[in-house]
Amino acid sequence: GENVEQHPSTLSVQEGDSAVIKCTYSDSASNYFPWYKQELGKGPQLIIDIRSNVGEKKDQRIAVTLNKTAKHFSLHITETQPEDSAVYFCAANSNTGNQFYFGTGTSLTVIP
Amino acid sequence: ETGVTQSPTHLIKTRGQQVTLRCSSQSGHNTVSWYQQALGQGPQFIFQYYREEENGRGNFPPRFSGLQFPNYSSELNVNALELDDSALYLCASSNAGGRLSNEQFFGPGTRLTVL
Repeated sequence: GENVEQHPSTLSVQEGDSAVIKCTYSDSASNYFPWYKQELGKGPQLIIDIRSNVGEKKDQRIAVTLNKTAKHFSLHITETQPEDSAVYFCAANSNTGNQFYFGTGTSLTVIP
Repeated sequence: ETGVTQSPTHLIKTRGQQVTLRCSSQSGHNTVSWYQQALGQGPQFIFQYYREEENGRGNFPPRFSGLQFPNYSSELNVNALELDDSALYLCASSNAGGRLSNEQFFGPGTRLTVL
């Protein structure tokens, strides 16, 4: 099955700096890659996603890039704010499409 | 538009007992997936329900079972609880029609503690 690896496990940045989180996947049939933000005591919240037919997608301060050849995708957050502090998860869908495989999460802390 | 809701929010059980967790999908969504999230880990796929039938299952034993109702709400049942079943159980809904290439929205989860 699919194997998703995520790095780093923890990340601290100064407010206003950028944060980058990277993931790799193993199944070349995966074609959908969402990113989730999970705050303490809450369920994961979808923040951005990308499909395999595009290489980059941006939504205000958040962007995701996908390199299908290398099987890796990254989350970029610019101009970070304290409210960006949370655990971020990447995911990839299975080759049958009916399940997601999640990374182990990145705990992001934005220092005011 | 109502989001995904789950009940109860917290639950404490003892080893060997049985538990039922409930999920109401987001309005207009016909597919429900259940995930187990251990502390400090990413969610692990348990199974998915579409049109009231199981449509994919992760690496979980048969004592994990589920149901989907005509209104698309769902239940997760776990029999013979073990200590390792302690986790946050997440329900996610989508309108992918059984496939998950579309957005999937999570509920707040049910925190299960097995003593």
